[in-house]
Amino acid sequence: QVQLVQSGAEVKKPGASVKVSCKASGYTFTNHYIYWMRQAPGQGLEWMGKMNPRDGRTNYAQKLLGRVTMTRDTSTSTVYMELSSLRSEDTAVYYCARGGLLWFGDPYPSDYWGRGTLVTVSS
Amino acid sequence: DIQMTQSPSTLSASVGDRVNITCRASQSIYNWLAWHQHKPGRAPKLLIYKASSLESGVPLRFSGSGSGTEFTLTISNLQPDDFATYFCQQYSAYSLTFGGGTKVEIK
Repeated sequence: QVQLVQSGAEVKKPGASVKVSCKASGYTFTNHYIYWMRQAPGQGLEWMGKMNPRDGRTNYAQKLLGRVTMTRDTSTSTVYMELSSLRSEDTAVYYCARGGLLWFGDPYPSDYWGRGTLVTVSS
Repeated sequence: DIQMTQSPSTLSASVGDRVNITCRASQSIYNWLAWHQHKPGRAPKLLIYKASSLESGVPLRFSGSGSGTEFTLTISNLQPDDFATYFCQQYSAYSLTFGGGTKVEIK
């Protein structure tokens, strides 16, 4: 069955970076997009960006440009999301989710999600 | 970005009730809308896609309707396992956006 397993909770100081991993299994890793979202306390979900695991190409949310980097390791079917220059507003639960097939023409929702990774930014 | 307004934010209901949750989009998203269920500590679960298509394995008491800018998730005959948070997701645009969520509580 499809599973996305995320790394554990992190506590970081303002100005630091955090790298969250998302290991996929149960499907062909390089066939589907991976999305990243986050949810700050008391807020709704926010889309951060997406990655094409086949060629590594990424699209990032405008507000995070310059601070977010998504990478992947095809040998372990793992996608990474790194966020730099952390501030208190980045405290959130971070989720990865599977998107559509790379060659599927129609829009596609996130169909499988990870359980989330809590990142706390505090001095 | 397309804004998604979801209501109500909290809903108290009893087992056996029929409940409706609404999402309104700031512009037409045709039928590119999904509904997800989320329980604390668990991965969100896709229930409905393309506004009204039931994901495989999801009970028939869940249904979705709407198109354009107004969408509804209906849970008929609410079961104990259904007490959770539900959120909508539009995927018509380059960047996904989400409703604020509806927590369905036991009355």
